[in-house]
Amino acid sequence: AQRVTQPEKLLSVFKGAPVELKCNYSYSGSPELFWYVQYSRQRLQLLLRHISRESIKGFTADLNKGETSFHLKKPFAQEEDSAMYYCALSGAFYAGGTSYGKLTFGQGTILTVHP
Amino acid sequence: EAGVTQFPSHSVIEKGQTVTLRCDPISGHDNLYWYRRVMGKEIKFLLHFVKESKQDESGMPNNRFLAERTGGTYSTLKVQPAELEDSGVYFCASGDRARSEQYFGPGTRLTVT
Repeated sequence: AQRVTQPEKLLSVFKGAPVELKCNYSYSGSPELFWYVQYSRQRLQLLLRHISRESIKGFTADLNKGETSFHLKKPFAQEEDSAMYYCALSGAFYAGGTSYGKLTFGQGTILTVHP
Repeated sequence: EAGVTQFPSHSVIEKGQTVTLRCDPISGHDNLYWYRRVMGKEIKFLLHFVKESKQDESGMPNNRFLAERTGGTYSTLKVQPAELEDSGVYFCASGDRARSEQYFGPGTRLTVT
């Protein structure tokens, strides 16, 4: 079974401070990992995916297969980063009738960046 | 380009009634997904359409839920009869390929009283 764990429901930092949102996963195979973000009054949107190896809005995330983690990091948080962040996993292959398109989400972390 | 749209944005019904939620994906997206977030829980997968075919419906909670995607365009999710535990936010997402980015709709908040 695939599972995503985000241990922190709430995370508060001050503007300019580093921020790290933790994500651990379990999956018997090679998954694809994502971070989705939902800003206030907006819809859920993709922030970044591990295969892209991009930095979006100053955020980066590295897939650590040994620790089965995909933590999201930003060196200097901004007030506009305040949002709900979801880590999500997609399986990398079909297994029986299982779609590799579906996303398995963590419970989400509410990030608040104080001025 | 219009994004994924969902209707209604909010629905309040009584236990035992029927509700139908609608999702219009981004034009040309063959893959359509339904998810839901029950209060205090994570967002959970319900099912996945590829065009008009159900690719994976392993997340559907029980036979009170029926999803359709006639013609491979918009999709409906019917709950009949609704129970209290069905309350939550129902999200629809679409993508042009199975492993591509999924674009989410704004969600439908369903309240069963």
